[in-house]
Amino acid sequence: SQQGEEDPQALSIQEGENATMNCSYKTSINNLQWYRQNSGRGLVHLILIRSNEREKHSGRLRVTLDTSKKSSSLLITASRAADTASYFCATDRVYNFNKFYFGSGTKLNVKP
Amino acid sequence: GAVVSQHPSWVICKSGTSVKIECRSLDFQATTMFWYRQFPKQSLMLMATSNEGSKATYEQGVEKDKFLINHASLTLSTLTVTSAHPEDSSFYICSARDLRGRGQPQHFGDGTRLSIL
Repeated sequence: SQQGEEDPQALSIQEGENATMNCSYKTSINNLQWYRQNSGRGLVHLILIRSNEREKHSGRLRVTLDTSKKSSSLLITASRAADTASYFCATDRVYNFNKFYFGSGTKLNVKP
Repeated sequence: GAVVSQHPSWVICKSGTSVKIECRSLDFQATTMFWYRQFPKQSLMLMATSNEGSKATYEQGVEKDKFLINHASLTLSTLTVTSAHPEDSSFYICSARDLRGRGQPQHFGDGTRLSIL
């Protein structure tokens, strides 16, 4: 990818379980964002976390950011079959907040 | 919420044809729009940054003469794939960012699947 890697590449869980995805990036950032993509569709913005924040919540989503390790994690609690999608992290550059670079993505499959 | 419309959603055409893809921000103004390319089961690759009223900025390795970008207004950017060949077949996605800029998410279109025969 242009910016970093995500792991796992694929994750399969049962409905009701929690799903954790990790993202690592290469350069210093202003913001990190998580997006979701259903197959063959565009991306939907989930959550943005700024470089001076360590944790953020939105509904069943919890995002953490560790700038010293250049990594972030996305936790989806009590997963549902409808959460099945690919999840990408995206980062800007500290000297250019305008461009986003995407991680390699995690394909999540939630089995009913 | 912010809506970005991308058109067409699917194009199938013969090799050598030029194809134009439109990206519109419907309920907000965007001085900057972005064009991405996505290969099957891979991540999004930023191709270029489209700036209203000025030339686009292309990422390294992207041919500007091949992928022509025009950003004529605060709500419309177009990507033209010129003389398309089978290797140009891909999923192209645009995004737009609110004028407020810093700290704002990008809003994505639904993508255009381009198939060159």
